[in-house]
Amino acid sequence: GNSVTQMEGPVTLSEEAFLTINCTYTATGYPSLFWYVQYPGEGLQLLLKATKADDKGSNKGFEATYRKETTSFHLEKGSVQVSDSAVYFCALTTSGSRLTFGEGTQLTVNP
Amino acid sequence: GAVVSQHPSRVICKSGTSVKIECRSLDFQATTMFWYRQFPKQSLMLMATSNEGSKATYEQGVEKDKFLINHASLTLSTLTVTSAHPEDSSFYICSAIRAPANTGAFFGQGTRLTVV
Repeated sequence: GNSVTQMEGPVTLSEEAFLTINCTYTATGYPSLFWYVQYPGEGLQLLLKATKADDKGSNKGFEATYRKETTSFHLEKGSVQVSDSAVYFCALTTSGSRLTFGEGTQLTVNP
Repeated sequence: GAVVSQHPSRVICKSGTSVKIECRSLDFQATTMFWYRQFPKQSLMLMATSNEGSKATYEQGVEKDKFLINHASLTLSTLTVTSAHPEDSSFYICSAIRAPANTGAFFGQGTRLTVV
């Protein structure tokens, strides 16, 4: 079956620090990979995606590269802001519809 | 990007009553929608998959008679929590798939249900 393992949180950083949230996966077939962000009291927003090996997804300064050899899709940002404080979910799909989520990582950025 | 609207965002109801939550895809047609439940500080738990014009597929352990799902059109799915109890209090989130499917799911804003 499919599974996603995320770096345990919570993560607390100072503004302008470098962010890495690790994500590894197991999947049958060739998954598409996603990062979602959830702000307090809200639903999930698609942050970025990659649909094949070596693809790099990027959005709002965040990046993640689909690494088939290490089955990873780590999220990075060079300089975080207070407004980036949220919960981040790594997810995959092999069916093209149903998503498998990681446990989520709470990020807090202090000024 | 695609927009999914969920309504209401918050609802408080009395034990024993039923509550309906709507999920609408505003600018695309969604043949498949999903309903999730999220407990505090936890990931999303898939409750059911809703396909337009057919019965929903429920995950193991989810009571289909308690959580009624209707997907009457390509833009609307509803979740009705019947005979609600305090333990049903939770954050419910819907999502919809827009073709092509591997572009990811788009989520509603979520509904905070409190049963008193």
